[in-house]
Amino acid sequence: DGGITQSPKYLFRKEGQNVTLSCEQNLNHDAMYWYRQDPGQGLRLIYYSQIVNDFQKGDIAEGYSVSREKKESFPLTVTSAQKNPTAFYLCASSIDPGSYTFGSGTRLTVV
Amino acid sequence: AQSVTQPDIHITVSEGASLELRCNYSYGATPYLFWYVQSPGQGLQLLLKYFSGDTLVQGIKGFEAEFKRSQSSFNLRKPSVHWSDAAEYFCAVGAKGYSTLTFGKGTMLLVSP
Repeated sequence: DGGITQSPKYLFRKEGQNVTLSCEQNLNHDAMYWYRQDPGQGLRLIYYSQIVNDFQKGDIAEGYSVSREKKESFPLTVTSAQKNPTAFYLCASSIDPGSYTFGSGTRLTVV
Repeated sequence: AQSVTQPDIHITVSEGASLELRCNYSYGATPYLFWYVQSPGQGLQLLLKYFSGDTLVQGIKGFEAEFKRSQSSFNLRKPSVHWSDAAEYFCAVGAKGYSTLTFGKGTMLLVSP
């Protein structure tokens, strides 16, 4: 079955460390997105990509970086510049505007 | 800029009772509107969407929503709630020509026996 796979499900980051969250899709969708979810805050857009080798910043891109070298993959790196990275991170893809397919998320905790 | 307001943080409904979750949006042109559902610790699933045409849209799991331009609303309804409907529900707005969405802060639905 087609879908989006996010890994790992849980991730722990030490102070000053960069970590990378994986997002892979086999839906043949052109567009991919990263959202951050905090309790009571809804989803906030970090980065998105509408085509390979191109991506745009969302509302809260500071302290994050992405790449889109393959259509299937859109990894997110949380850098040491992100001062409050503890959150639930969701990856999504779409072929129609707004009709997202979401992964099951990665919960990142700073230790 | 577009925005979405979900006025209710939590709602408790008895099993078998009807449900209405409120959503108000702010956007200058005709919006694209969506409802998503999230079970604890999981990703979101699309329930239904409105792009244009009939203002009453049907979705999965027996849900429906009505677009009311005059009230800038897109409320989600279900005639009879089941215990498995307990989850968090998110309303989202998009714009023609743009693929990104702006989400509301969500409404947590609790279902009592």
